Amino acid sequence: EVQLLESGGGLVQPGGSLRLSCAASGFTFSSNAMSWVRQAPGKGLQWVSSISNTGETTPYADAVKGRFTISRDNSKNTLHLHMNSLRAEDTAVYYCVKCGGTCQHSRFDVWGQGTLVTVSS
Amino acid sequence: DIPLTQSPSFLSASVGDRVTITCRASQDISIYLAWYQQKPGKAPEVLIFGASTLQSGVPSRFSASGSGTEFTLTISSLQPEDFGTYYCQQLNSYPLTFGGGTKVEIK
Repeated sequence: EVQLLESGGGLVQPGGSLRLSCAASGFTFSSNAMSWVRQAPGKGLQWVSSISNTGETTPYADAVKGRFTISRDNSKNTLHLHMNSLRAEDTAVYYCVKCGGTCQHSRFDVWGQGTLVTVSS
Repeated sequence: DIPLTQSPSFLSASVGDRVTITCRASQDISIYLAWYQQKPGKAPEVLIFGASTLQSGVPSRFSASGSGTEFTLTISSLQPEDFGTYYCQQLNSYPLTFGGGTKVEIK
């Protein structure tokens, strides 16, 4: 069974940092691009970033560019999102997502359960 | 960026009704559109990709069509378990964008 398990969410002060992790199982992690998608409370879905299967390609949403870094460890089947200079508007549930091969021209076919990040003083 | 406009934003329908949701892209995205269903408190699940391909395991009452800038998702006979919010997503180019969502309520 394909599973994605996020961790690392929590309460952080504005300007602070947090690292989210996503443990993947049930599929060949190194063959699939991955993404992070967030959802602010009561709002819609917002794509945050994607990473190719090798980690070479890492596009970001403008809202997080320069502050967030996506990375992966294919030896440990783990995806990360390093978040710096956090703002109140980054408050959201963050979903780890498996892409169907690549992300572009494909689909987000498996989603984790999400981890809540709250940025507040 | 490629904004996606979904309509309606809310709909209320009865069991057995035929329901259609529209998604319009601001520019040509070919067939690179997916549809997701999200139930309250849960992660989204993919229903359709490539504009019209049904994801494995999704009931056949769901169908979709379109290309370019106009897309539709149809539920042929609404079932009680179909409540939730439906999102379209374009995967033609980065940044990947989602529509604003259509909340479906069962009367």
